[in-house]
Amino acid sequence: DAGVTQSPTHLIKTRGQQVTLRCSPKSGHDTVSWYQQALGQGPQFIFQYYEEEERQRGNFPDRFSGHQFPNYSSELNVNALLLGDSALYLCASRDARGGYTFGSGTRLTVV
Amino acid sequence: DQQVKQNSPSLSVQEGRISILNCDYTNSMFDYFLWYKKYPAEGPTFLISISSIKDKNEDGRFTVFLNKSAKHLSLHIVPSQPGDSAVYFCAASDSRDDKIIFGKGTRLHILP
Repeated sequence: DAGVTQSPTHLIKTRGQQVTLRCSPKSGHDTVSWYQQALGQGPQFIFQYYEEEERQRGNFPDRFSGHQFPNYSSELNVNALLLGDSALYLCASRDARGGYTFGSGTRLTVV
Repeated sequence: DQQVKQNSPSLSVQEGRISILNCDYTNSMFDYFLWYKKYPAEGPTFLISISSIKDKNEDGRFTVFLNKSAKHLSLHIVPSQPGDSAVYFCAASDSRDDKIIFGKGTRLHILP
């Protein structure tokens, strides 16, 4: 069981650019949540996807958007990148009964 | 607005002794509490949880205590082992929705 896999592991982007991060949930999991972990902070909830729809959203601007595909994999898109978007982006998945399993994250650096 | 607070950024404990990590919360609607452990370059790993209907949950060396009136929970690790050195996140959720609210974490160092 591969668990939750995220790609890429590291990424460097320039201010103003757009980025897409990818997540493959654990086998059998249909719900995917995305979190942003800034340096020295705990993970902060961005949004959750279930049945290809955004079901909940945290306090993040519209520059942050996502998508879930029929195979339950998910993407996080961030437009017009700011320096403050530099963080570790974590994807977590679960099934209807269980708790969340987290991936190792994508480290995004905006320069 | 920090709904889950871990006021100790770091903690050092001698190997074999008890580690006690503390956490406070402000939202009385939280009814499920979790502790996660995180090593560098890895995602958070679930450690132990407790429902608000309980005041204690034990799993091997790990015990979580919940004091609802004080809105406080703690994680006890005994005996502490070198592999316990990591960042520990306290987290909480409200059963009405599915998002987990995390604290800032406490870095635990187990000293030889």
